[in-house]
Amino acid sequence: SQELEQSPQSLIVQEGKNLTINCTSSKTLYGLYWYKQKYGEGLIFLMMLQKGGEEKSHEKITAKLDEKKQQSSLHITASQPSHAGIYLCGADTGNQFYFGTGTSLTVIP
Amino acid sequence: EPEVTQTPSHQVTQMGQEVILRCVPISNHLYFYWYRQILGQKVEFLVSFYNNEISEKSEIFDDQFSVERPDGSNFTLKIRSTKLEDSAMYFCASSPGDRAHEQYFGPGTRLTVT
Repeated sequence: SQELEQSPQSLIVQEGKNLTINCTSSKTLYGLYWYKQKYGEGLIFLMMLQKGGEEKSHEKITAKLDEKKQQSSLHITASQPSHAGIYLCGADTGNQFYFGTGTSLTVIP
Repeated sequence: EPEVTQTPSHQVTQMGQEVILRCVPISNHLYFYWYRQILGQKVEFLVSFYNNEISEKSEIFDDQFSVERPDGSNFTLKIRSTKLEDSAMYFCASSPGDRAHEQYFGPGTRLTVT
């Protein structure tokens, strides 16, 4: 099975600080997706990466897929309380979709 | 902005009963999915549905489960003879035909089996 490990498992940062969340796969990723889940709510699609070296940004969130396509990082610049939640990476294996273990982000005002 | 909706938001049922969880995907989407998230655990894929049939399913999706698109708008997950371990959040998702894995998720239905 496709295993996706995220690190760190949880993160507490002061408002305004930058942070990075990593997602590592044991296999080559054919599509890597980032979602945000607010506590007790549904998942919100953030962005999708497919090509090695690809980088996408949305507002203050930037995601990259490394050249070897086995790791992705999500970087938040100048974090705000609205960024708080659980960030999940997801991988497309062609047949099924697997989610990572999740990273819980708390932003202290 | 179009969104995926799910009803009910919370369902409580007794062990052994059947439940139907309902989803209304985004109207022009062609792929539909169900996921579950047991409290404190990973989101797990259950099943994908395309062109009125199941396209993929996980090992979790056994004979206890079934999906249906009874009309042009609803997508349902039926769980027969519920067990305590079926208690979880169930998420429906849909994606457009040309971007099959750009999935948009509903808010979820919390199923509690007592």
